[in-house]
Amino acid sequence: DQQVKQNSPSLSVQEGRISILNCDYTNSMFDYFLWYKKYPAEGPTFLISISSIKDKNEDGRFTVFLNKSAKHLSLHIVPSQPGDSAVYFCAASATSGTYKYIFGTGTRLKVLA
Amino acid sequence: NAGVMQNPRHLVRRRGQEARLRCSPMKGHSHVYWYRQLPEEGLKFMVYLQKENIIDESGMPKERFSAEFPKEGPSILRIQQVVRGDSAAYFCASSPTARGPWETQYFGPGTRLLVL
Repeated sequence: DQQVKQNSPSLSVQEGRISILNCDYTNSMFDYFLWYKKYPAEGPTFLISISSIKDKNEDGRFTVFLNKSAKHLSLHIVPSQPGDSAVYFCAASATSGTYKYIFGTGTRLKVLA
Repeated sequence: NAGVMQNPRHLVRRRGQEARLRCSPMKGHSHVYWYRQLPEEGLKFMVYLQKENIIDESGMPKERFSAEFPKEGPSILRIQQVVRGDSAAYFCASSPTARGPWETQYFGPGTRLLVL
């Protein structure tokens, strides 16, 4: 049972435009969400996170939006740069548990120059 | 200021052999998580350890897999009698404390295990 879903395996965006990556979750106990970026042959790198008490968190070019009623979050990258090309993983956790992360299957973003 | 260290980076084993994967957390971090990534899949939680304690092993296969995080030295993920299905990338992450999921987990580069 996939509790965190990233339904788009890949996305291509022109340099300078907005990239929007989506993530859905099913477990209503999740109340903390993160995005990680991963390059080939490297470990995931933390990008940005959001608590369920917020609906938006911004850090430079990266903004995460959370819609609790829809159990949906999205990552916006503006403007997209070629160096953003990587696999992006959405992860969820619950403050009531042991804080393990449940990851989605990832979306491969390709930013075209 | 070293990050999470994992070794070896690549490990080749024949079926039936043992695999030992090591993880040294970031300086000052005493909480270690292990995740596994099978080909074309996301990362799956395996086990969460503090020094000398296993806190959550709900993601560990019931047989052949074990983990430890001794008082001194790295955390070890041990896979006995490996099978081809164990071929995957194994990632270790660490956090300074575990007061909540906002204590971001920082990942190492992973160990890529190939079972022949």
